[in-house]
Amino acid sequence: KAGVTQTPRYLIKTRGQQVTLSCSPISGHRSVSWYQQTPGQGLQFLFEYFSETQRNKGNFPGRFSGRQFSNSRSEMNVSTLELGDSALYLCASSLGVAPSPYEQYFGPGTRLTVT
Amino acid sequence: AQKITQTQPGMFVQEKEAVTLDCTYDTSDQSYGLFWYKQPSSGEMIFLIYQGSYDEQNATEGRYSLNFQKARKSANLVISASQLGDSAMYFCAMIAGAGSYQLTFGKGTKLSVIP
Repeated sequence: KAGVTQTPRYLIKTRGQQVTLSCSPISGHRSVSWYQQTPGQGLQFLFEYFSETQRNKGNFPGRFSGRQFSNSRSEMNVSTLELGDSALYLCASSLGVAPSPYEQYFGPGTRLTVT
Repeated sequence: AQKITQTQPGMFVQEKEAVTLDCTYDTSDQSYGLFWYKQPSSGEMIFLIYQGSYDEQNATEGRYSLNFQKARKSANLVISASQLGDSAMYFCAMIAGAGSYQLTFGKGTKLSVIP
C-alpha cells in the first residue's frame, strides 16, 4: 500500500509570493491534516479535512488555507509569504472514522524556504 | 487546551540496552489518545504506537511499548534492545476532545544510540 505523498519536496520562494503544496493520502483514507514544523515553534496544527470539509482549524492567519478534493487529495496554500513561513510542512492522513479514526500517518514533508 | 511535556531534550543509550522516553500530558477531556512518533533526520514522521485513554492494557508494538499511567498523566515510551537505527527525534502527541482530530505535540527528545 502506497504511503502519503507530498509534492514538491523542496521549494524556495520570495517574500510576498504565494505557494501551493499538495498531499495525496493513503488509499482509503478520507482525512488529511496539515502541520507546520519550525525549530522555534515545533509542530503546530494547521487544519484537517474530511470528505472535502474542514473539520478542525489551528491558530494560523487567514493567509493559510486549504482544500480537499473528492479523491481525498489535499492542497494547502500560503499567500503573501513571510520569512517566518519557512518551515517543514507535513501532511498526515487517517481513516477519519472507526475503527482507527485517529491514527495519523505522515508524508515526507515539503521544506519551504522563503527568502 | 491540551499540553504535552517532554522534559528530556536529548538522551544517549548503549546499543542493545532499553531506554525510556518521558512524556506527561494535561487535558480536561476524559476521552483522548496518546501517540509516539519517530522523526529521523530525513524529516518524515513515523507512527510508532497509540494508546487510548480507556485502554486498560499498555500498548505494545514490537520493540516499542507505552507505559501508560493515567493517574500520573504520563505516557512514557520504552524502546527495548536499542538499535543504531533508533537514533532520531521522538515526539509524544495527543488528540483530545470529541470531534477533534488535531494532534498536539511535545517538543521532542533526541535519542542517540551509541555502538
